[in-house]
Amino acid sequence: GAVVSQHPSRVICKSGTSVKIECRSLDFQATTMFWYRQFPKKSLMLMATSNEGSKATYEQGVEKDKFLINHASLTLSTLTVTSAHPEDSSFYICSAEPPSGFSYNEQFFGPGTRLTVL
Amino acid sequence: EDKVVQSPLSLVVHEGDTVTLNCSYEVTNFRSLLWYKQEKKAPTFLFMLTSSGIEKKSGRLSSILDKKELFSILNITATQTGDSAVYLCAVYNAGNNRKLIWGLGTSLAVNP
Repeated sequence: GAVVSQHPSRVICKSGTSVKIECRSLDFQATTMFWYRQFPKKSLMLMATSNEGSKATYEQGVEKDKFLINHASLTLSTLTVTSAHPEDSSFYICSAEPPSGFSYNEQFFGPGTRLTVL
Repeated sequence: EDKVVQSPLSLVVHEGDTVTLNCSYEVTNFRSLLWYKQEKKAPTFLFMLTSSGIEKKSGRLSSILDKKELFSILNITATQTGDSAVYLCAVYNAGNNRKLIWGLGTSLAVNP
């Protein structure tokens, strides 16, 4: 159990277009999901915390108008990279926090989305 | 400011060697410390530690937490080439803005 999917796994787009990435918890309800960005050979950088039914909490330095997060249901959060530019190329990973009572893990990770902006 | 420091940053060993990876932390509202293995994709979960002195074990991997000295170690015995990966340590801050605080990772290369 506790599977998180992410779609698409890989996307290539032209500069100026917007890209939407979906994160789904498949077998549990997640009131809180997290979006990370990872550059090559670097650790994970938390971008924002996504709470179902409310506005996301963005980390310092992350542009909320650039990276739109919507957590419309207990199993789905989306990250939209608006007007993407080459510097937005990166590996984006989501995670979902399981309901209280899960004793063996704090966050379950999706497989990641590799975004390349040409 | 919360921080998680891993050492060494990189390590090269031969198959069969035993390695110890270190993770020290200064994190407010500590709830747990987690170890992940990352190859080409997203991190995969290894262990979650919440109590001092209790070793968690999975095959050739084991980990232990010292909440007094604020560190954890991850041991890998009889290493194999398939153990080559980046090992990430993260500490859960259960405060108002709960989140994982990440270390930079240890890049392990196991040569045949």
